[in-house]
Amino acid sequence: DAKTTQPTSMDCAEGRAANLPCNHSTISGNEYVYWYRQIHSQGPQYIIHGLKNNETNEMASLIITEDRKSSTLILPHATLRDTAVYYCIVRVPNTGNQFYFGTGTSLTVIP
Amino acid sequence: DVKVTQSSRYLVKRTGEKVFLECVQDMDHENMFWYRQDPGLGLRLIYFSYDVKMKEKGDIPEGYSVSREKKERFSLILESASTNQTSMYLCASTQWGSANVLTFGAGSRLTVL
Repeated sequence: DAKTTQPTSMDCAEGRAANLPCNHSTISGNEYVYWYRQIHSQGPQYIIHGLKNNETNEMASLIITEDRKSSTLILPHATLRDTAVYYCIVRVPNTGNQFYFGTGTSLTVIP
Repeated sequence: DVKVTQSSRYLVKRTGEKVFLECVQDMDHENMFWYRQDPGLGLRLIYFSYDVKMKEKGDIPEGYSVSREKKERFSLILESASTNQTSMYLCASTQWGSANVLTFGAGSRLTVL
């Protein structure tokens, strides 16, 4: 599976959109992009995933570039409860391949 | 609500003790995983299992073993705990098909003295 690169940390003002980038320049054609987040002292929680098209759910939006070498997770109106570590993972689903989590981006939402 | 339950949130053990970390999922998932998480190192896979009685080594299996006698239960065993096994341990499960999304437990924080 391709590895990902994320900034170590980011800040965002409460109520503003949080845009978290992820670079996956070696992604292969059948690998999906998954995002998870981990709030302090809890297990990671699934947010969203996608292959090529942009995706939106009740938690976030996922924008994948046309060449699929990078993506951005958007939290449209960040709240204090969104303070967490965000992980970007690329993986072929339903295979024996592992989920590589890396160290993620630590997002701090500032009041 | 679907759940992955880890039996202990906090454990304190002594060097050399045998430690069992239990994980139970109620989603009938085929696949289960054990990770450990340490500051600056992210989540690292210890062992995983795709079916009952099956197990595969992850990236850091040394010092650990696992047991999967029933589909819903995946146990991590530290045969002789050492201080460098002090960590947060996370269990997860997923099902073949659909999004193949991982569902995690809340974690077990183990301290070995």
